[in-house]
Amino acid sequence: AQSVTQLGSHVSVSEGALVLLRCNYSSSVPPYLFWYVQYPNQGLQLLLKYTSAATLVKGINGFEAEFKKSETSFHLTKPSAHMSDAAEYFCAVTMGIKAAGNKLTFGGGTRVLVKP
Amino acid sequence: NAGVTQTPKFRVLKTGQSMTLLCAQDMNHEYMYWYRQDPGMGLRLIHYSVGEGTTAKGEVPDGYNVSRLKKQNFLLGLESAAPSQTSVYFCASRTEGETDTQYFGPGTRLTVL
Repeated sequence: AQSVTQLGSHVSVSEGALVLLRCNYSSSVPPYLFWYVQYPNQGLQLLLKYTSAATLVKGINGFEAEFKKSETSFHLTKPSAHMSDAAEYFCAVTMGIKAAGNKLTFGGGTRVLVKP
Repeated sequence: NAGVTQTPKFRVLKTGQSMTLLCAQDMNHEYMYWYRQDPGMGLRLIHYSVGEGTTAKGEVPDGYNVSRLKKQNFLLGLESAAPSQTSVYFCASRTEGETDTQYFGPGTRLTVL
């Protein structure tokens, strides 16, 4: 079984401040982990993914995430928030089981508000 | 390349009416998925397909049916709509690799009165 917990449904940051979004997962096998971003009235687009190579993963728009197996975490960070980062962010996990359709399980999402 | 497209973008139904949502992808992807998105619950998988002619149930399949008669299309049907089915519906597709990315459509906002 696989599950994802995102701590904090809303996060407010000042422009230029650190963005930290928390994600913890559970998986019965080594997981593959993803962060997606959803801008208002749009679909989801991939920010970055962990696929068992480097534990520090860099994505688009200056975001990065670190896979920590001991903590079962995959937190997303960006050193300096920009107004355009205001969006909802989703962490997702898959066990990569082809027979099960390589299904993704999503967290509940974290909405980021950036204050000027 | 249009990617993943969904029609319609918006729809309002009365309780008991039926409708079909269409998802189309032009990337020759094997896998396709239907999700619903509700506030605070993330995306939940309704049904999915691992190839033309095959479908399987996801996390919340009740009240929905699907068909994948052509590889590029994945249809989601509501036979008798209920207010609990008011949601935003997203379709996604991906290739076969276990680490491959799912690509999402823009969504369909459905309201059932």
